[in-house]
Order: sequence, then structure tokens, then C-alpha cells
Amino acid sequence: DAKTTQPNSMESNEEEPVHLPCNHSTISGTDYIHWYRQLPSQGPEYVIHGLTSNVNNRMASLAIAEDRKSSTLILHRATLRDAAVYYCILRGSNYKLTFGKGTLLTVNP
Amino acid sequence: DAGITQSPRYKITETGRQVTLMCHQTWSHSYMFWYRQDLGHGLRLIYYSAAADITDKGEVPDGYVVSRSKTENFPLTLESATRSQTSVYFCASSERGAKLFFGSGTQLSVL
Repeated sequence: DAKTTQPNSMESNEEEPVHLPCNHSTISGTDYIHWYRQLPSQGPEYVIHGLTSNVNNRMASLAIAEDRKSSTLILHRATLRDAAVYYCILRGSNYKLTFGKGTLLTVNP
Repeated sequence: DAGITQSPRYKITETGRQVTLMCHQTWSHSYMFWYRQDLGHGLRLIYYSAAADITDKGEVPDGYVVSRSKTENFPLTLESATRSQTSVYFCASSERGAKLFFGSGTQLSVL
């Protein structure tokens, strides 16, 4: 399975935008880029996913590089409730997700 | 209520005992997954299932058994529990190619 690389941790201030990077240089043409987040003491929660084009939903935006070897999850205005571990994952044809260690996002008031 | 539920929420057992963790989903999703989460390892896939009666191993299947006789249920059995299986276990389901929905988890302690 193709792997992803994320920073271990990032910090942001409340109401400021947050850009969470992810490298996936070995991505294959059929892999979807998924983002999940996990709040303390909860199961992971879907955030967004995409294949080639940038994607927006009510939670976040996903910017995918033209060569698809990297992507960025954008939280437009971070809130304290966005403090979580964010996972960038590639989902291949067998539909299973392999989680890495993710990025721990701290949001300062 | 619709959704994915795991039971029990907490379980304490002793080494050598058999333990079954239950997972039930009401969406009729084709795919179901079992993950374990440990400090320092993140989430690791134990087993997954693409449909009833179809299961496959994930990254860490040793010591676990799964079955899927019905689409909505995907129990995970530890045949002879060991201390190294102390962990938080998450079940998830999805439709083909779509996002995963996770349960609230089962915290298992093996003494």
C-alpha cells in the first residue's frame, strides 16, 4: 500500500486558517486521498476525500497537487473543536485504509 | 437508531480467555473493518470484509478471528487473549469506495 508522510504536530490560533500538509510520492493513479480526524477518546471521523481535483465541503477544503504527490487539508477558520489528530490516507482498489500516525493539531485560544 | 455500534464499550479479561467484540451497522454497507489503536502505533488494520462470508487479513491479524455471516454484523474474537492485545478496538463500515464510518470503540484490558 502506498504510504503518506505528515508532520507529527502543528499549532494554530483560533479563527486562523490551518494548512495541514501530506506527502504521498508513491501514489498510484487509482488511489483516492482521504482525510480523517480523531478527537480525543472518539473514533476517527471522515473529513474529506478527492482523486485529482480540489474538493470543498462544509468541514474543509482539499488541495491536491497537479502531480498528485502531495495534498493539503485546509481548515479555513480553526476552532478549539478542531483540535484533533488528522490522518491523510490513500485508499486503493481494495478499499481498505491504512492509517499512519497523523498530525496532532493544537488550536490555541 | 441508524449507525454503527460496538459492544461492549469496556471489557476486562484475563490471559487465555476467549473474548468476542461485537460490531453492528444498520446501513447495509458492504465493507466492514476492525482496527486496533495503541499508543505509538496509531490505527492498525486487523481484518476487513468486502461482503458477507468474505474476509481478509489486514496488517496485524495474528491472534484474532472474524466472521461475517450477516452483512450487518462483524464480530472479532480473540481466541486466547494475551496482554499484548490490550488496546482500543474500532470497527468501521463503508460502502464501496466511500468514506468510512467508525464506531465509538471498545477498550479492552487483558490482565
